[in-house]
Amino acid sequence: GENVEQHPSTLSVQEGDSAVIKCTYSDSASNYFPWYKQELGKRPQLIIDIRSNVGEKKDQRIAVTLNKTAKHFSLHITETQPEDSAVYFCAANLKGGKLIFGQGTELSVKP
Amino acid sequence: DAGVIQSPRHEVTEMGQEVTLRCKPISGHNSLFWYRQTMMRGLELLIYFNNNVPIDDSGMPEDRFSAKMPNASFSTLKIQPSEPRDSAVYFCASVVNTIYFGEGSWLTVV
Repeated sequence: GENVEQHPSTLSVQEGDSAVIKCTYSDSASNYFPWYKQELGKRPQLIIDIRSNVGEKKDQRIAVTLNKTAKHFSLHITETQPEDSAVYFCAANLKGGKLIFGQGTELSVKP
Repeated sequence: DAGVIQSPRHEVTEMGQEVTLRCKPISGHNSLFWYRQTMMRGLELLIYFNNNVPIDDSGMPEDRFSAKMPNASFSTLKIQPSEPRDSAVYFCASVVNTIYFGEGSWLTVV
């Protein structure tokens, strides 16, 4: 069925290192791919998104890449900081407008 | 703009009771989503509305769950009767270009 797979489920890095989270989607009609950060006890908040007409988008230490042929997209965080520790969710839109989320990646940045 | 407003923020109820969760979307947003979040299942889409009309309710777990959107500024998600396995965080989100989440309603059914 329609789904979004996200890996890894947990990720631990040292402060200053890079972190990469990968997602694959199944619906070839998907054209919008947002990423959300959720801190403990809080709501998911949008950190970056990409549409299918571009292959890469960057915002300071965060970047997202999209490979439509392979149907996968990735979040890259450089120079990680302890405040980057959170759960990150990828998502993809489906026909009709519904937005489906990956299972989440718990990122831990160790000082 | 106050963002998406949900109530109650926290609710503890006994099994068998009716639960009603409320949502006020961001003014001007024409789509509204209800998600449920648990550790086991992650973020599950329950139902979504476009221009107050339910478009896809295939994620609603069973007949005990119902949702309405009587107007552009208000939606409810009702569980009747509630069961312990309904314990979760329920997020309402509204959409224009991208999706904005409310703070969530933390439901515990004992």
